[in-house]
Amino acid sequence: AQSVAQPEDQVNVAEGNPLTVKCTYSVSGNPYLFWYVQYPNRGLQFLLKYITGDNLVKGSYGFEAEFNKSQTSFHLKKPSALVSDSALYFCAVRDRDYGGATNKLIFGTGTLLAVQP
Amino acid sequence: GAGVSQSPRYKVAKRGQDVALRCDPISGHVSLFWYQQALGQGPEFLTYFQNEAQLDKSGLPSDRFFAERPEGSVSTLKIQRTQQEDSAVYLCASSLTGSLTYEQYFGPGTRLTVT
Repeated sequence: AQSVAQPEDQVNVAEGNPLTVKCTYSVSGNPYLFWYVQYPNRGLQFLLKYITGDNLVKGSYGFEAEFNKSQTSFHLKKPSALVSDSALYFCAVRDRDYGGATNKLIFGTGTLLAVQP
Repeated sequence: GAGVSQSPRYKVAKRGQDVALRCDPISGHVSLFWYQQALGQGPEFLTYFQNEAQLDKSGLPSDRFFAERPEGSVSTLKIQRTQQEDSAVYLCASSLTGSLTYEQYFGPGTRLTVT
């Protein structure tokens, strides 16, 4: 079965410093990977996705993610953190069944990013 | 443009009551999904529609859960005889097509509390 793991419940970083939120995946076949952000009392907002092509994917709000096939990782990164980046971040993978790929997303448990001023 | 909207935003139900949760997807989006998010967890898939056809309902936890999208736009998730374990945030998402490469856009969710 497809799955993603987010090993850190919380990441703390000072404003202006680079940030990394980790995600590893386990899939059969080629992975379709996504990052979403959730602010309090709001739905998930799409940040970026990896389907194929360049291993470095750029997304919204200055975020980027690096796909690493050998390490089965898809870590989210930003060169300089902002206090407003503080939120809950979810990594997700598109599911597959025996017939190929379905459309549902399988989410990790989430990582709370806290950026201190 | 308008995003995915859900109503009500908050619902308190007494154990045993029936509830209906509504989702208005982005106009023109073919695919619609329902997810359940328990406190402190990531969203978990419930069911998927392509237009009016319910193509996957493998995530519905019991036969008390029922979803429909009769005209291929608005969808309703119904929970009969609610139980305390049904308390969660119910998220609706839509996607332009059924293509795997399209991202899903989420609504703000309905927080259901069963007392």
